[in-house]
Amino acid sequence: QKEVEQNSGPLSVPEGAIASLNCTYSDRVSQSFFWYRQYSGKSPELIMSIYSNGDKEDGRFTAQLNKASQYVSLLIRDSQPSDSATYLCAVNEGGYQKVTFGTGTKLQVIP
Amino acid sequence: SAVISQKPSRDICQRGTSLTIQCQVDSQVTMMFWYRQQPGQSLTLIATANQGSEATYESGFVIDKFPISRPNLTFSTLTVSNMSPEDSSIYLCSVANQETQYFGPGTRLLVL
Repeated sequence: QKEVEQNSGPLSVPEGAIASLNCTYSDRVSQSFFWYRQYSGKSPELIMSIYSNGDKEDGRFTAQLNKASQYVSLLIRDSQPSDSATYLCAVNEGGYQKVTFGTGTKLQVIP
Repeated sequence: SAVISQKPSRDICQRGTSLTIQCQVDSQVTMMFWYRQQPGQSLTLIATANQGSEATYESGFVIDKFPISRPNLTFSTLTVSNMSPEDSSIYLCSVANQETQYFGPGTRLLVL
């Protein structure tokens, strides 16, 4: 059974710090990796996708992928209180396959 | 990304009744999914809605309780049948053309 593991948190960081969110996955054939942000009472919103080993940067967000270690992370630089949300890691084998979601990490950015 | 709408956005229902949730997408999509998210919990996939054929249900979910229709590539419905308070949840429609999934705004259901 495919699994995506995340620490449920909450992860508390002070405003302006770097928040580091981690995720491991069990299926070695996974090809596509995603981070979703979900504010309380709202639906998940896609914020990053990554497909190859290394780093991918988009504004204050950096996704990091290490397929050998089956590990994907999300760094949020200069964390803001508005970043406080639950972050879901998701993994897909590629193509027309359903995505497997982790249980999410709750991030709290303290002003 | 596709624009996804769901109706109703929220509802309060009596136990034993049924509710049909609609999901409309502004463009044709290959795959449509229905998820449930109970308070404080993560996403649980109910089923994949297949265009022109029966939906594919995940373990623990059955067609009699959650009948799904998908008459075309832009529309799907999920019915929650014979509801009980345990069905109180947020129901989310999700769409994908390949590996990336996008979510609708959700339907918040409370069963009394």
